[in-house]
Amino acid sequence: QVQLVESGGGVVQPGRSLRLSCVASGFPFSSYVMHWVRQAPGKGLEWVALIWHDGGHKEYADSVKGRFTISRDNSKNTLNLEMSSLRVEDTAVYYCARGNYDSVGYYHFNWGQGTLVAVSS
Amino acid sequence: DIVMTQSPLSLTVTPGEPASISCRSSQSLLHRNRQNYLDWYLQKPGQSPLLLIYLGSTRASGVPERFSGSGSGTDFTLKINRVEAEDVGIYYCMQALQTPATFGQGTKLEIK
Repeated sequence: QVQLVESGGGVVQPGRSLRLSCVASGFPFSSYVMHWVRQAPGKGLEWVALIWHDGGHKEYADSVKGRFTISRDNSKNTLNLEMSSLRVEDTAVYYCARGNYDSVGYYHFNWGQGTLVAVSS
Repeated sequence: DIVMTQSPLSLTVTPGEPASISCRSSQSLLHRNRQNYLDWYLQKPGQSPLLLIYLGSTRASGVPERFSGSGSGTDFTLKINRVEAEDVGIYYCMQALQTPATFGQGTKLEIK
């Protein structure tokens, strides 16, 4: 059974940094593309970043490019999101998600329970 | 970016009655491999999203047969043939043929 457990959320001041982690179990972590998706309070879903199974390819939403860094440690079944220069508008629940990739597109996301990041002075 | 547009944005349904949600994309999600890169997710109150349908019409494991997905190219539909009380929540369509992956605004389903 796919399990994804996020951690690292909290309250942080604008301009500061925060690191989120997601520990995976129940599937061969090193074989899957992983994503971060966020949801601002009362709002819809916004894709944030992805990383290929071997870490060899990463992509980011324009809204976080240059500020957020996605990484993974396949030896520890862990996905990370390093967030810097945080803004009030980054306030959201951050979900990690396992996705399928068939060399054409991504699909079939399985989601963790999320971790809340609140950026406030 | 591909824009995803859902309709309606809210839906109130009597238990046992059918429900239908439309999702339109600003570009075709049909690849020459004949797959449509369109998923449907349900976010129940206070929970994370749950996969219902992937690649346009394939029901995910454990999803009840009353849920079905159809459509191709730019027009897609999620149908619930007999709504149950546990189906309440917000339904999202998502495309990830191109990055950034993008989501519809969500359709809130309530029970009458």
